[in-house]
Amino acid sequence: DIVLTQSPGTLSLSPGERATLSCRASESVSNFLAWYQQRPGQAPRLVIYDASKRATGIPPRFSGSGSGTDFTLTISSLEPEDFAVYYCQQRSHWLSFGGGTKVEFK
Amino acid sequence: QVRLLESGPRLVKPSETLSLTCIVSGVSISGQYWSWFRQPPGKGLEWIGYIYYTGTSNYNPSLKSRASLSIDTSKNEFSLKLNSATAADTAVYFCGRFSGNYFPYYNDYWGQGLLVTVSA
Repeated sequence: DIVLTQSPGTLSLSPGERATLSCRASESVSNFLAWYQQRPGQAPRLVIYDASKRATGIPPRFSGSGSGTDFTLTISSLEPEDFAVYYCQQRSHWLSFGGGTKVEFK
Repeated sequence: QVRLLESGPRLVKPSETLSLTCIVSGVSISGQYWSWFRQPPGKGLEWIGYIYYTGTSNYNPSLKSRASLSIDTSKNEFSLKLNSATAADTAVYFCGRFSGNYFPYYNDYWGQGLLVTVSA
């Protein structure tokens, strides 16, 4: 089974700063990788799919990159509503998620 | 606007069957894939399974065949049954629309989630 490892576990930043989140796969998932945002008490929200495509309604400060085994989610300038947990997810054979990165207020 | 709403018992006894339904509005359930995920309290997300409107389904092998999905196009809803429930099945259960350009692999719409507790 493919394992997704997200780093760092927690990112402490201030509004306006740039956030860079990493997701590494134990083997290639091509570009079949999605990113979700989850705020406390809410359902996940699709942010990025196919590694780099923004989902409907997602602002352009969010961008995704990578292919194969190494992927990055970048938030160019953090807004207060962006502080949340972010998960990456793949489907090469079975679906699996990374353990999440929490973006918290510094 | 696509909306999904999970419904079902919030408390299930150990060894019994956990049964949930997802009611879809704003879009026809036909022609699409639909999914279930769950999240134990304070933990990460886990995929349970997905189902096509024809009834073809696929499951997380870690559930050891305890999960079963069904779909009712006449009611625009789909359902999850998880038998032999244990405390480890306590989680928030989410339904969603399962999408993808080449093959489905991500949820682009999610229900609000339903906390189900397995306890005597």
